[in-house]
Amino acid sequence: DADVTQTPRNRITKTGKRIMLECSQTKGHDRMYWYRQDPGLGLRLIYYSFDVKDINKGEISDGYSVSRQAQAKFSLSLESAIPNQTALYFCATSDYLYDEQFFGPGTRLTVL
Amino acid sequence: AQKVTQAQTEISVVEKEDVTLDCVYETRDTTYYLFWYKQPPSGELVFLIRRNSFDEQNEISGRYSWNFQKSTSSFNFTITASQVVDSAVYFCALSEARGSGGGADGLTFGKGTHLIIQP
Repeated sequence: DADVTQTPRNRITKTGKRIMLECSQTKGHDRMYWYRQDPGLGLRLIYYSFDVKDINKGEISDGYSVSRQAQAKFSLSLESAIPNQTALYFCATSDYLYDEQFFGPGTRLTVL
Repeated sequence: AQKVTQAQTEISVVEKEDVTLDCVYETRDTTYYLFWYKQPPSGELVFLIRRNSFDEQNEISGRYSWNFQKSTSSFNFTITASQVVDSAVYFCALSEARGSGGGADGLTFGKGTHLIIQP
């Protein structure tokens, strides 16, 4: 089984809808991250969490919120989706500050 | 704030040629780590290497090699005798300490270089 899983893998939704993307990990890591990837822009950090009580905004947090339900689960929400949030979203985990980050398979989100 | 520049948007070479992917970074921190990730057409992100700011030794892993030069703030990646399976988007990334230099934690990625290896 994959160490970092994301659900759903693909989602098409309409403008204004609330969407939740979920991430689960079995690696036992404290640190979890959400990134979005847009063509030609690389990956950009949305939110990150060092433990269930520590949530931090990344470079592009506007329009997003997160919840760290447990060490193993980190969810990303779009309260009111808009078309420019159409992107590939990745969850990642790491064991300590400078460690390699392990990425999930990604969620492709399309907002119509 | 930190920044990673991959000036080469796309590179196309014929199989068996050597190819170098450039990465230039900016950071105000003295302690930082540099990474390379590969994203094949299937979309997943594959970790290739991590290098800390205090270790400027070049590294070789099979056909892959990395050249880290602090004097030019560069961390370049060379594939020797390229193969079609090397076709992918390659990302260089930087990680520095939380709050240092005004940057956030997590990785700062370059925009990626799309490498095409033609048979």
